[in-house]
Amino acid sequence: SQTIHQWPATLVQPVGSPLSLECTVEGTSNPNLYWYRQAAGRGLQLLFYSVGIGQISSEVPQNLSASRPQDRQFILSSKKLLLSDSGFYLCAWSLGVSYNSPLHFGNGTRLTVT
Amino acid sequence: DAKTTQPPSMDCAEGRAANLPCNHSTISGNEYVYWYRQIHSQGPQYIIHGLKNNETNEMASLIITEDRKSSTLILPHATLRDTAVYYCIAVFKDSNYQLIWGAGTKLIIKP
Repeated sequence: SQTIHQWPATLVQPVGSPLSLECTVEGTSNPNLYWYRQAAGRGLQLLFYSVGIGQISSEVPQNLSASRPQDRQFILSSKKLLLSDSGFYLCAWSLGVSYNSPLHFGNGTRLTVT
Repeated sequence: DAKTTQPPSMDCAEGRAANLPCNHSTISGNEYVYWYRQIHSQGPQYIIHGLKNNETNEMASLIITEDRKSSTLILPHATLRDTAVYYCIAVFKDSNYQLIWGAGTKLIIKP
């Protein structure tokens, strides 16, 4: 069966520090991978998605970047965090065409920028 | 993408069927209706999705009206563990998951 791992679960970082969040998927090949952010009490906002190694699409201009160095690894990064980067970050995967393929989420990373 | 509207909160007694409504009056013929739920501090969990026909799986049933302007998610025998925020989302065929996630419905199951 497929599993998705996301770490760390919580993170407190000062403004201006770098960020690296990692997500890996097991039990499947060539998944579509996604990074979402959720503000408190709100719905999810898509940040990046990837359909293959090295292929990244950005949905929202921001202080973040994403990379996919391996088929089942997706990394979210920032060179200098802002206070507004605080939130709940979720990695997800899907197979096949998006409209008929459910998303499967990790348990998220709660980031607090101080 | 079609926008969906849901009531902000609902209560349901344990053991009863929970019926969660969703309005998607501007949905197009190519948009699927998806339901996810999110238990506090966890990632969302996929429940069910459909296009035109009613759907049922081990978790829930999805009833879509004939005009597709609304749908209802049914949890047949709600348990305390079903307390969560439930999201109804319309997914366009070529959206690449640029989904519009609303605030969802907070469902509270009461003993």
